[in-house]
Amino acid sequence: GNSVTQMEGPVTLSEEAFLTINCTYTATGYPSLFWYVQYPGEGLQLLLKATKADDKGSNKGFEATYRKETTSFHLEKGSVQVSDSAVYFCALSDQRKLIFGQGTTLQVKP
Amino acid sequence: AAGVIQSPRHLIKEKRETATLKCYPIPRHDTVYWYQQGPGQDPQFLISFYEKMQSDKGSIPDRFSAQQFSDYHSELNMSSLELGDSALYFCASSLGRHTYEQYFGPGTRLTVT
Repeated sequence: GNSVTQMEGPVTLSEEAFLTINCTYTATGYPSLFWYVQYPGEGLQLLLKATKADDKGSNKGFEATYRKETTSFHLEKGSVQVSDSAVYFCALSDQRKLIFGQGTTLQVKP
Repeated sequence: AAGVIQSPRHLIKEKRETATLKCYPIPRHDTVYWYQQGPGQDPQFLISFYEKMQSDKGSIPDRFSAQQFSDYHSELNMSSLELGDSALYFCASSLGRHTYEQYFGPGTRLTVT
């Protein structure tokens, strides 16, 4: 079946450091890909999405490119802030539901 | 902008009791999804509804049932609660059953003691 694999966390960075969170997927067909963010005690917020190969999703300084050849959708940000500390979930659309990766906790220290 | 509303936000129940979780989708959204997120785990799809009809079914226990009403709100009914049902339950909504962009509510944290 379809699945999503994320790099294990926690990822600890200093403020203004470069962020990469790896995400790879296994899927039949051509799913849409998403990154969701979950701040402590809150729900899931859609961060960005890509619906076809080579699409780049971007929002709030975060970017991810849908790479069909490597089945990847890595999340990047050039300069993280303390306020970016959260759990990040990579997800794919499987027919009409979402399949999530296990989540990666990001901790940004001042 | 209006978001998905879930109630209650927190619920404490004892084993073998029942619980009802409510979800109010974003206005004009006609599709509702339910997910369960155990402690430290990723959200798992339970069930979805489109235009008041069940659309897809995931790993929802037989002890759970759900429905979508004429105003598009949805309720998840959970009976014979077990300790393992303790989790965060998310509702999400979308416009149209073929739209993959889902908007999540803040979740209901259910604790079974």
